[in-house]
Amino acid sequence: EIVMTQSPATLSVSPGERATLSCRASQSVSSNLAWYQQKPGQAPRLLIYGASTRATGIPARFSGSGSGTEFTLTISSLQSEDFAVYYCQQYNNPGAFGGGTKVEIK
Amino acid sequence: EVQLVESGGGLVKPGGSLRLSCAASGFTFSSYSMNWVRQAPGKGLEWVSSISSSSSYIYYADSVKGRFTISRDNAKNSLYLQMNSLRAEDTAVYYCARAYYYDSNWFDPWGQGTLVTVSS
Repeated sequence: EIVMTQSPATLSVSPGERATLSCRASQSVSSNLAWYQQKPGQAPRLLIYGASTRATGIPARFSGSGSGTEFTLTISSLQSEDFAVYYCQQYNNPGAFGGGTKVEIK
Repeated sequence: EVQLVESGGGLVKPGGSLRLSCAASGFTFSSYSMNWVRQAPGKGLEWVSSISSSSSYIYYADSVKGRFTISRDNAKNSLYLQMNSLRAEDTAVYYCARAYYYDSNWFDPWGQGTLVTVSS
């Protein structure tokens, strides 16, 4: 079973600043990694798949990188609508989400 | 517009059963793999089950294997999750999610979810 670990659990960032979220897999998942955003009371939304490909309609300020076991989601300049919880998901085997990183206003 | 609408959630006693449904519209349902993902109150996302477009391939999380059954009816554009032997730890919002591409294992869009509460 592949275990996904996200850090930090909470990230406090000021609007306009850069946010860097990490996701680590317990074994290599190649580039089979996706990132999702979830706002309170809403369903998750796909941001990134294939570790670095933005989904349709996702702003360019969101970028993903990494392969193997170490992955990063970067939000280059945080907007008010970006404060949310972010989850990574490996799909080397079906499923397996990380525990999430909450991005909150500093 | 692509739309996924879950139904069937509610309060059930431990050991009981429930059947969730997901009605799909706005896309060719029979061409896409479909999935169930759940989220316990205040917790993270947990993948539950996936089914391929023709039902040839079905996968379950270890936590639900042997108790839950995923199925689909392509003629009715509907996805189902039969949940038996329910436990308190199955309490969650259950989301239906479509494969982003036809058989991809990353998901979008998602429905708004249906709440399942297992309690005596």
